Amino acid sequence: GAVVSQHPSWVICKSGTSVKIECRSLDFQATTMFWYRQFPKQSLMLMATSNEGSKATYEQGVEKDKFLINHASLTLSTLTVTSAHPEDSSFYICSAPGVGWFNQPQHFGDGTRLSIL
Amino acid sequence: QKEVEQDPGPLSVPEGAIVSLNCTYSNSAFQYFMWYRQYSRKGPELLMYTYSSGNKEDGRFTAQVDKSSKYISLFIRDSQPSDSATYLCAMSLIQGAQKLVFGQGTRLTINP
Repeated sequence: GAVVSQHPSWVICKSGTSVKIECRSLDFQATTMFWYRQFPKQSLMLMATSNEGSKATYEQGVEKDKFLINHASLTLSTLTVTSAHPEDSSFYICSAPGVGWFNQPQHFGDGTRLSIL
Repeated sequence: QKEVEQDPGPLSVPEGAIVSLNCTYSNSAFQYFMWYRQYSRKGPELLMYTYSSGNKEDGRFTAQVDKSSKYISLFIRDSQPSDSATYLCAMSLIQGAQKLVFGQGTRLTINP
């Protein structure tokens, strides 16, 4: 099945630094990927849709300048949390739809746990 | 009112029991329905997906969709401690590169 890989799985950094999270589709190409944020014991909240070769589409209330998304190739999307602060600490997850003869459901990466001190 | 409603639980059942998880939704345009399982500090894992109304079975798991009632269910037979996780329902208008709308997730514990 479709495999989506995320890296790193856990990152701890100081307030004010920028953190980059990678999302890769390992055995298929993904022109679209999705980025979610999840707080403890809550469901996934869609942040943005990443489109290969074009600008990302952000959900209402998500700061574009804070969460920079780049989808430079058909297998890689990156999310950069700029000037991170403790309130940005969360679990970030990406997903990509599989490919096949019929539209396939989305598959998720294992998430990145971000802790800002 | 949320677009997708799911009882967050927690739900605790003995090993071997049949588990029933449910979601209701308000948007009659939803066509694709998914169930994901999420273990602690991991990404959601796709369990089942169905198109429109009907039943789908895969091993111990059965997914049901009743579009007339806007109600979907996931049944787990012969539940195992390894089934302990959070179960998320999700739905979309079309499949593939389309935003998913998630339920809140139900925390399930299977007691040995």
